[in-house]
This record gives sequence, structure tokens and C-alpha cells, in this order.
Amino acid sequence: DGGITQSPKYLFRKEGQNVTLSCEQNLNHDAMYWYRQDPGQGLRLIYYSQIVNDFQKGDIAEGYSVSREKKESFPLTVTSAQKNPTAFYLCASSMDPMNTEAFFGQGTRLTVV
Amino acid sequence: GEDVEQSLFLSVREGDSSVINCTYTDSSSTYLYWYKQEPGAGLQLLTYIFSNMDMKQDQRLTVLLNKKDKHLSLRIADTQTGDSAIYFCAESYTGGFKTIFGAGTRLFVKA
Repeated sequence: DGGITQSPKYLFRKEGQNVTLSCEQNLNHDAMYWYRQDPGQGLRLIYYSQIVNDFQKGDIAEGYSVSREKKESFPLTVTSAQKNPTAFYLCASSMDPMNTEAFFGQGTRLTVV
Repeated sequence: GEDVEQSLFLSVREGDSSVINCTYTDSSSTYLYWYKQEPGAGLQLLTYIFSNMDMKQDQRLTVLLNKKDKHLSLRIADTQTGDSAIYFCAESYTGGFKTIFGAGTRLFVKA
């Protein structure tokens, strides 16, 4: 089945540690995105990638980093510089950068303990 | 600037119609979307409408767009308990590489 997979579903991190969230898609989509979701707020764009080996900062990129070495993979690293990392993280992909229809993963809930 | 606003909660009885409203500010919006999010899950695209359309119907879902007032609505006919979820309105525009999401409307369906 084609789809987009995020792992793990739940992640706990100690303060001061970096952690990497995985996002893989087998839809052959060029564009991939990372969003952060906080209660009572819309999704906020962290980073996006229109094509392999290229990515751009979104609205809240500080304290995060990404890579796009393969078309199907777009991992997100939450660094210790991110002051408030506890949130629900959603990865999405779309066929083209116009983002006409985005397909979302099931999300990763990150908790800093 | 870009902004999408929605009311946060809506409660309806099973079998009634639900109407979820959204306003947006970017007049250059090309696509307007409705996404559904069930608890602990990602977002699922329900439907979208091009900005040159006034209405789109898909089974129990009807989308109405008032471009003059920058107002988008989603009507769910014969609302079921399985429709309980958070519904996000979103917009994107030609040449843009991101989608702007509202905060989401949590729909409660009472049996």
C-alpha cells in the first residue's frame, strides 16, 4: 500500500538531547513537509522540501534541522536549541510543490521530560 | 498577511446538519481545503475547491465559497458520530509552497 509513515508514534526526550523523527513515503512525491501542531493552534510549517537535496525553512525553523538525501525520506531533527519542543509533529507529502493535495502521516508525539 | 480563522468548537445532534465556517485573508488564494483529523492521527483531505468556484458537493459534504467576503464553509448532512473530529480549513495560492491552516474546529456529535 502506498502511503506516508512516521516513526515512532511516541517519543520521549530528556532536556538537552537531540532527537530525530522519521518520515518515509512511497508515493513517489517530490514535495515533503514538516508541521508542528499545538493545542488550539493551526499547523505551523517547520521545513519543506520541493525536491531531493533541497529544503527551505518554514515559519518556525529555529531549533530544527532536516535533510533530504533521498526522495522518499525527510527526517526532522529536534535539537537542544528548540526551547519548547513538546508537541505533535506531522509529516506530509504532495506530488508537486503546489501542494494541491497533501497526504499526512499519523504523527509523532514528542514529549520532553 | 496570511491568516485563516475558524471557531474552535461545534456541537450538533446525530442526524442534524453541521456547518463549519472559516474566513481567510489572502485574496490571492487559489485552493481552499477542508481536512479532517481524528484523535491521535494525521490529517485527511476531505475536499478542496478552486477559488474560481462557488460551490462543490461530494456526497454528504457541501463546500460553499464566498470570495467577496473571503468566507468558506463546510456543510455535513446527516451528521454521524463517526464525523466527530477536528476539521481544518486551509488555503494555498499559485506559486506558493506552503499551505496555511486554521486552528481547527472540534466537532462533537451527540447521539
